[in-house]
Amino acid sequence: DTGVSQDPRHKITKRGQNVTFRCDPISEHNRLYWYRQTLGQGPEFLTYFQNEAQLEKSRLLSDRFSAERPKGSFSTLEIQRTEQGDSAMYLCASDLGTGRNEKLFFGSGTQLSVL
Amino acid sequence: AQTVTQSQPEMSVQEAETVTLSCTYDTSESNYYLFWYKQPPSRQMILVIRQEAYKQQNATENRFSVNFQKAAKSFSLKISDSQLGDTAMYFCASSNSGYALNFGKGTSLLVTP
Repeated sequence: DTGVSQDPRHKITKRGQNVTFRCDPISEHNRLYWYRQTLGQGPEFLTYFQNEAQLEKSRLLSDRFSAERPKGSFSTLEIQRTEQGDSAMYLCASDLGTGRNEKLFFGSGTQLSVL
Repeated sequence: AQTVTQSQPEMSVQEAETVTLSCTYDTSESNYYLFWYKQPPSRQMILVIRQEAYKQQNATENRFSVNFQKAAKSFSLKISDSQLGDTAMYFCASSNSGYALNFGKGTSLLVTP
């Protein structure tokens, strides 16, 4: 069990640029989640996958955001035309996916700064 | 909208003492789950305790226990025999009808020697 890993740990970009983050869940975990956390707030749900299927998306996930999990393993989250309001910690989490609201295992997050 | 409220932004406790973190939630679901997650400084968020709403018995995990008051929609976390390693942000969370969690704003707990 190597845990949930996220890459990169930090990303600094200029407004208007595109960025992509990667998440590798625990290998036997079927469900993968993306959350966003801003300073002084708790994580906010963005989207989740059951294997390769994206089953729920938050209204926070605007058209500029897209997430994929092509083979049901790793996932990517892309933000197009970044805005300063996108600056946040992006957290990935996974669980076994055999029941409802199981224990989530979180990664260390990707800290995005949009200048 | 479902909300989770943590009314204590910061708390402090001395080592070996007991501290209680408060949480209230609002949900229209009949079956739901409640959680406390811990986020140590610059480290990953980890699950402290999980409670299924239809279970009357309060969940416990070693030094951590909850006081679940379903009618009052209250879900407080008690940490007994506090240790320096308990210093962290603590987030209360509730499930919605799907698999997403709604998190509160967190309580920053400092354990002092």
